[in-house]
Amino acid sequence: AQKITQTQPGMFVQEKEAVTLDCTYDTSDPSYGLFWYKQPSSGEMIFLIYQGSYDQQNATEGRYSLNFQKARKSANLVISASQLGDSAMYFCAMRGGAATGYSTLTFGKGTMLLVSP
Amino acid sequence: DAMVIQNPRYQVTQFGKPVTLSCSQTLNHNVMYWYQQKSSQAPKLLFHYYDKDFNNEADTPDNFQSRRPNTSFCFLDIRSPGLGDAAMYLCATSRDRGRASNQPQHFGDGTRLSIL
Repeated sequence: AQKITQTQPGMFVQEKEAVTLDCTYDTSDPSYGLFWYKQPSSGEMIFLIYQGSYDQQNATEGRYSLNFQKARKSANLVISASQLGDSAMYFCAMRGGAATGYSTLTFGKGTMLLVSP
Repeated sequence: DAMVIQNPRYQVTQFGKPVTLSCSQTLNHNVMYWYQQKSSQAPKLLFHYYDKDFNNEADTPDNFQSRRPNTSFCFLDIRSPGLGDAAMYLCATSRDRGRASNQPQHFGDGTRLSIL
């Protein structure tokens, strides 16, 4: 079975500072994908960044980067230069295994990020 | 432009009265998903369609049904809503599936369902 763990229920950061949101995972499948989503209070889920288990380099997308440490089974999201609009819930998710055709997502419980001026 | 559209944004229904939530997509994606998300919790997958192939999660109550009449549309039917079914319902799509797929799921804005 797959499992995603986000140990930080909430994080506070000041505007313009960097913040790291933790995510650890567990799977027996050698091939997997990890996703980060942002969910503002309005409810929509916004895709941020993807890391594949065989990717040689850490993923980056603008101010978002993923600190992927495969041996530790961690995939932490780093947000550089935080903005007030970054205040939201952040979910780490893993792509499903063979039983689901690798199509479904298992989500962590999320981390609420609050950015202060 | 919205690519995964959910209607309505807010839905109120009475206890036990059937309700249908709708989702449409302009992405021509093969896979469509329905999630239930209760307050302060992670989204929970109810079922998904790969094309016309329906895949139900083992713990999805029988009260929840789904229909996908064509590629663009997918419906969530709740036959007899209970108070515990009040939640945000999220529809998502992905282009394909597979071990090497790096395709993210694209979500709609959700429908917030309230039960009176």
